[in-house]
Amino acid sequence: DTGVSQNPRHKITKRGQNVTFRCDPISEHNRLYWYRQTLGQGPEFLTYFQNEAQLEKSRLLSDRFSAERPKGSFSTLEIQRTEQGDSAMYLCASSYLNPSTEAFFGQGTRLTVV
Amino acid sequence: GQQVMQIPQYQHVQEGEDFTTYCNSSTTLSNIQWYKQRPGGHPVFLIQLVKSGEVKKQKRLTFQFGEAKKNSSLHITATQTTDVGTYFCAAPHSTSGTYKYIFGTGTRLKVLA
Repeated sequence: DTGVSQNPRHKITKRGQNVTFRCDPISEHNRLYWYRQTLGQGPEFLTYFQNEAQLEKSRLLSDRFSAERPKGSFSTLEIQRTEQGDSAMYLCASSYLNPSTEAFFGQGTRLTVV
Repeated sequence: GQQVMQIPQYQHVQEGEDFTTYCNSSTTLSNIQWYKQRPGGHPVFLIQLVKSGEVKKQKRLTFQFGEAKKNSSLHITATQTTDVGTYFCAAPHSTSGTYKYIFGTGTRLKVLA
């Protein structure tokens, strides 16, 4: 296992289009997190899963954002009707079930909405 | 809601000088984590502190958790160019028994050779 994998690494899309990102966590990890990071800011929590259950979703996340983790393995994050303000780095992280353990981050998907 | 603030936002030091970043929370924390993000990279876990007043060292890095468990610091002795990056603290936030980690605003360190 080489760690958390995210695809694609870069995505350029036109405003109004839908995009989907994929995250493959470390296989033994039960928890999976999605964060968004803009330049000069810390990672901003979006949502997280424990196995296949989505336990929390940020109130900052509009209805255009949806995430899934079927079968508790990989996860997808979809953004519908993208806006320029959605341009950011989308980071995925995974960890063991114990919430007090380190999170392993993927390389991220950089989204640019033009 | 819970907020995690870090100071300073930026720090430029000459190679060999020391560096410290501080993390402050509005609420008492069960634990705190520190991450480093190199330019163009992703956050990488450094350490976790759990006990009140805890101090942990990793080579030139010293991490401290405040007695009241509301603040933490990271101190780097004799900085090197490899220390360049942004240092984040992250604290757990519990909602109805579920946990998520809230990241601080980060301190960007630049080391001048």
